Amino acid sequence: DAGITQSPRYKITETGRQVTLMCHQTWSHSYMFWYRQDLGHGLRLIYYSAAADITDKGEVPDGYVVSRSKTENFPLTLESATRSQTSVYFCASSESWGASYEQYFGPGTRLTVT
Amino acid sequence: AQTVTQSQPEMSVQEAETVTLSCTYDTSESDYYLFWYKQPPSRQMILVIRQEAYKQQNATENRFSVNFQKAAKSFSLKISDSQLGDAAMYFCAYRSPGTASKLTFGTGTRLQVTL
Repeated sequence: DAGITQSPRYKITETGRQVTLMCHQTWSHSYMFWYRQDLGHGLRLIYYSAAADITDKGEVPDGYVVSRSKTENFPLTLESATRSQTSVYFCASSESWGASYEQYFGPGTRLTVT
Repeated sequence: AQTVTQSQPEMSVQEAETVTLSCTYDTSESDYYLFWYKQPPSRQMILVIRQEAYKQQNATENRFSVNFQKAAKSFSLKISDSQLGDAAMYFCAYRSPGTASKLTFGTGTRLQVTL
């Protein structure tokens, strides 16, 4: 499918488990982003990547790990999930650097940590 | 760091009427972009409109327009002829050209459209 996809769309996991959220885009966009959305906070940036093998922290990176071995994929891993990581996670991509380039968002993954 | 404030958690408008959503931001930069995103119940984030800070003319996209006041750091969204499909969460966002294209979002305004 063309565009940006996320999987799974819904996930329930237990405290302490490792979970990986997948993000895939078909545009060959250089930049990819992970955001989390919580009530009262809007969307907050977790990590971003400027290209394959180049990643950097955003506003709320603690407890998360990312990798980007291929341009089209940008998985987000919660190494030991906590209840505070219950959230909706959005992946986004952008063609290039610069504020004029639109960010395209995936459909989101709702993660519940019990 | 830039901050974006949306002071209206919820708004309501009657169908066919006009509503204005408020957004203010704080920045020391002179060149930046501002956006309004719509998030319907499907959760999909949809870009509604964007404004370049160096442009004095307010952006318009069909029924959506903005009132950009750079000196006041204000960026409101006006929706004309409101439709039931406009019901959604609306997020204001700021983007600096110098920070790897990261978006800073406000907390959102939930818009209800009534008959």
